Amino acid sequence: NAGVMQNPRHLVRRRGQEARLRCSPVKGHSHVYWYRQLPEEGLKFMVYLQKENIIDESGMPKERFSAEFPKEGPSILRIQQVVRGDSAAYFCASSSDLQETQYFGPGTRLLVL
Amino acid sequence: QQQVKQSPQSLIVQKGGISIINCAYENTAFDYFPWYQQFPGKGPALLIAIRPDVSEKKEGRFTISFNKSAKQFSLHIMDSQPGDSATYFCAASKGSGSRLTFGEGTQLTVNP
Repeated sequence: NAGVMQNPRHLVRRRGQEARLRCSPVKGHSHVYWYRQLPEEGLKFMVYLQKENIIDESGMPKERFSAEFPKEGPSILRIQQVVRGDSAAYFCASSSDLQETQYFGPGTRLLVL
Repeated sequence: QQQVKQSPQSLIVQKGGISIINCAYENTAFDYFPWYQQFPGKGPALLIAIRPDVSEKKEGRFTISFNKSAKQFSLHIMDSQPGDSATYFCAASKGSGSRLTFGEGTQLTVNP
């Protein structure tokens, strides 16, 4: 019974490059959430997706950030033209249709040089 | 109105003592209040959660107390152990299919 899986666990990018973060939810879960945790801070909501649909992207920066959750495959959080301020831990969580409990993955730690 | 405020920011407790972390919320539409535990370099793990229709929920050494009229809830860790040393986050949501709004976190240290 695998939990939420995220990869890569660590990602180093230079300013201006693209970062692609992947999340595989718990098997059977159709709801995926992305959160960002800046150093020494709490978790901030970014986006909520169900299969093939973005339900709530109110926490997502308007530029450079995008997310998808295709019918097949993992959810992807994409950050274009990264800047140093994007350095953070990005967590994915998933939940089922029947429960409000969100289960978190181990996170991807992005470092922008 | 979406904020959840958490205190204290850090807490040091002796082994065997009681750790108490408090949270307050503003949005009365919140109806689900989980607590998460996070160890360094790991993702948050659900510890215990409560709905506003009960005033207290206990699971092992962990208890949530909920005061709906005051819009406050707290986590009590009884018989605190060094292995409990971690960062604890309270959160709130409007239930299934909605985002979690997190408190700022409390770094708990339990001294042996």
